[in-house]
Amino acid sequence: QQQVKQSPQSLIVQKGGISIINCAYENTAFDYFPWYQQFPGKGPALLIAIRPDVSEKKEGRFTISFNKSAKQFSLHIMDSQPGDSATYFCAASRAFGNEKLTFGTGTRLTIIP
Amino acid sequence: NAGVTQTPKFRVLKTGQSMTLLCAQDMNHEYMYWYRQDPGMGLRLIHYSVGEGTTAKGEVPDGYNVSRLKKQNFLLGLESAAPSQTSVYFCASSSRDRGSYEQYFGPGTRLTVT
Repeated sequence: QQQVKQSPQSLIVQKGGISIINCAYENTAFDYFPWYQQFPGKGPALLIAIRPDVSEKKEGRFTISFNKSAKQFSLHIMDSQPGDSATYFCAASRAFGNEKLTFGTGTRLTIIP
Repeated sequence: NAGVTQTPKFRVLKTGQSMTLLCAQDMNHEYMYWYRQDPGMGLRLIHYSVGEGTTAKGEVPDGYNVSRLKKQNFLLGLESAAPSQTSVYFCASSSRDRGSYEQYFGPGTRLTVT
């Protein structure tokens, strides 16, 4: 049973464009939503995360938009660069008392010149 | 700080063989996790531990066992390897401190079972 659905599976964006990856969750008990970035041959690393008390969080070129009523959240990468080419995973968990992350299936992002 | 390290990096097993994957962290984290990563399926939790001497099942525990005898180490065992266990295995750790939810991942172990 997949509790976090991620789309698209792969994405090609031109350099300087906006990359958008979407996730939807089912468990209303989730209250922590991170995005992890993974480069080939490496382990995932935390990129940015949001709690549901805000609808948007921005860190540099990376923004999470969160829609609690729709149970959806998305990652926006502004001014996408070739160095952003990686696999991105959304995830969700309860922040307190249950630290198990449920991951989406991943999006392979390729930024072309 | 080395962070989270995994041993070995690569391994090829024959069906029915056993092996142990070692994860070590030097961040004094209470929580440790083992995931497997398969194409198109993301990261799936195998087992996890909330402290020394404790372990619990995750989403896909069958065929695996774990032990956490020391706080800094988390071992994943395959008693009788099967081709379905061909995967990349990641260990992660995180702090118990409130407000500190980040999981730190190791570099992974690529396991092939023939």
